[in-house]
Amino acid sequence: GEDVEQSLFLSVREGDSSVINCTYTDSSSTYLYWYKQEPGAGLQLLTYIFSNMDMKQDQRLTVLLNKKDKHLSLRIADTQTGDSAIYFCAETGYSTLTFGKGTMLLVSP
Amino acid sequence: DTAVSQTPKYLVTQMGNDKSIKCEQNLGHDTMYWYKQDSKKFLKIMFSYNNKELIINETVPNRFSPKSPDKAHLNLHINSLELGDSAVYFCASSPGLAGGHEQFFGPGTRLTVL
Repeated sequence: GEDVEQSLFLSVREGDSSVINCTYTDSSSTYLYWYKQEPGAGLQLLTYIFSNMDMKQDQRLTVLLNKKDKHLSLRIADTQTGDSAIYFCAETGYSTLTFGKGTMLLVSP
Repeated sequence: DTAVSQTPKYLVTQMGNDKSIKCEQNLGHDTMYWYKQDSKKFLKIMFSYNNKELIINETVPNRFSPKSPDKAHLNLHINSLELGDSAVYFCASSPGLAGGHEQFFGPGTRLTVL
């Protein structure tokens, strides 16, 4: 079955880079996503990568995909306190997304 | 304009009661979903509907019954509420079945069963 794994917690200082890692099992996933959930809010799509890409950059966000190892990472450059949130990795199934358990990112001043 | 809205935002009720949560999307999407997020923030799909037809029905107790009167609405009715039903329930929608389609999430309904 599909399974998506993430580390549960990451703490960084403001201005540092944050790297959130994710592993998935479904090799047929065509898209892989990163969603952000701020406290008390719903999930919001941050970025996504198509499975035939190795890297995607979008301003402070860099997504790396190692399809052979089924490993996805999200790098946030110059992390700000406003980036504190839970970050969910998700892979596509036939008709829905399978989410990881989320990584709580805590950014301290 | 709110894209995906849910009511109520908070719901506190006693065990054994029946309650409903409503969801509406004004994005013209064909597909809608219900997710459950437990206290540890684990997010699991419960149901998905495409053009008012049930596509996914994960292992969810029969006490949960979704209803889609039209493409813009997907309501969730829960019978005989139990303590373990306490969670945040998120509605979402997407242009089509997931697979290249972004899902847009509602703000969530926090259900507390006493």
